[in-house]
Amino acid sequence: DTEVTQTPKHLVMGMTNKKSLKCEQHMGHRAMYWYKQKAKKPPELMFVYSYEKLSINESVPSRFSPECPNSSLLNLHLHALQPEDSALYLCASSQDPFGGGRGNTQYFGPGTRLLVL
Amino acid sequence: DQQVKQNSPSLSVQEGRISILNCDYTNSMFDYFLWYKKYPAEGPTFLISISSIKDKNEDGRFTVFLNKSAKHLSLHIVPSQPGDSAVYFCAASAQGGSEKLVFGKGTKLTVNP
Repeated sequence: DTEVTQTPKHLVMGMTNKKSLKCEQHMGHRAMYWYKQKAKKPPELMFVYSYEKLSINESVPSRFSPECPNSSLLNLHLHALQPEDSALYLCASSQDPFGGGRGNTQYFGPGTRLLVL
Repeated sequence: DQQVKQNSPSLSVQEGRISILNCDYTNSMFDYFLWYKKYPAEGPTFLISISSIKDKNEDGRFTVFLNKSAKHLSLHIVPSQPGDSAVYFCAASAQGGSEKLVFGKGTKLTVNP
C-alpha cells in the first residue's frame, strides 16, 4: 500500500480566509512533504517534516504554516493568501529520508487544487 | 543551475512503438534516480527507480537505464499505449540519503492510437 490521501480535493478561498489542507499516510513513513505545483512545472518543495520535526522550510511566506500532529498526519494552514498562490498543493511521504536508496522514494497524494480569489 | 535536465519538453510516438525519455544530471553526488508519471491535475505517480550501483532496472513495460560515466538515464516504455500519455519527471537524490528530490522540468509524452 503506497497511498497518501489529501483533503479537500478542491478549495476556493478569498484572500481574507483561513483554511487548512490535510494529508494522511499509514505506511509508517518517517518523512512528509508539502509541494506546490503550477501547470507545466515540476513540483516545488515547500516544507519537509522528518521524524515529526520541521527540517526544511524553503523560504516559504508565513501565510503558509505547516503542522505535523503525529507521524501519519500533516496539515498546511493557509491565511491571507494571494491570487498567485493558486496552484496544486501536493503532499508526499517517504520511508526513511536519510537511509538512501529506496528510502528516498517519495509517494505523492492526489493533491488539493487551490484557487484564491 | 539545473542539476537534473530533461531537454525534450515533448515526445510523440505511435501506439505499440517504443518511447524513450531522456534525462541528464550534473551532480556526481546523486546516487538514486526515479521516474514519475503525472496526469493533469493529479499528483505524480512513482513509476520506477534505479540505484547508481546498477545500470538497468526493469518493471513490466518500463525499463530505466543508467549511464554513470555520461551522467545520463533513460526510461524506455515498450510497447507504448495511449494511457501512457502524460508528463514524465525524472528526479534524483544525493548520496547517503537526502530529504530532497531534485526534479527535471518534465517531458510530455503523447502516444497516438
